[in-house]
Amino acid sequence: AQSVSQHNHHVILSEAASLELGCNYSYGGTVNLFWYVQYPGQHLQLLLKYFSGDPLVKGIKGFEAEFIKSKFSFNLRKPSVQWSDTAEYFCAVDSNTGKLIFGQGTTLQVKP
Amino acid sequence: NAGVMQNPRHLVRRRGQEARLRCSPMKGHSHVYWYRQLPEEGLKFMVYLQKENIIDESGMPKERFSAEFPKEGPSILRIQQVVRGDSAAYFCASSFLTSGDATDTQYFGPGTRLTVL
Repeated sequence: AQSVSQHNHHVILSEAASLELGCNYSYGGTVNLFWYVQYPGQHLQLLLKYFSGDPLVKGIKGFEAEFIKSKFSFNLRKPSVQWSDTAEYFCAVDSNTGKLIFGQGTTLQVKP
Repeated sequence: NAGVMQNPRHLVRRRGQEARLRCSPMKGHSHVYWYRQLPEEGLKFMVYLQKENIIDESGMPKERFSAEFPKEGPSILRIQQVVRGDSAAYFCASSFLTSGDATDTQYFGPGTRLTVL
């Protein structure tokens, strides 16, 4: 069965620090990859997605993610976080079925 | 363009009652997905529907849960005879698939938080 693993459950950073959140999945075939963010009190919003093409994907608010097929990874990065990035981040994978498989989520707390 | 709408946002039920959760997809979207988020867990897929069709219900519990997406009106997730373990946040998402079978982006609603007393 497919699964998605987010290694960091809770991350605390100071403003301007660099961020990298890990995401690994288990599936041998073609996948579509997503990062969603849930700000406090708000619903899930799409940060970025990878379907095909350039494995380095740029999303909103300065986030990017790199798909490394050989490592089954899709890590999320941001060079310099802001207090407003405090949120929960979810990695999700789909194998063209319409069924998103989510990781457990990573709570990011940015200290001003 | 209005996003995915869900109502109610909060729902309290006593054990044994029925819960009905509604989801109106984004305008032009004909595909709806339901997910459940239990406390301290990620979202888990429940069911994928198109208008008048259930495409994949592999994540739905076998009993008490049902979903529909009629030709007119919102999608409904129905939970009969609720138990405390049904307490969770239920999220609906919608997408617009072009012809072919490629996945498209799912846009999520704000969720319905169900509490079973």
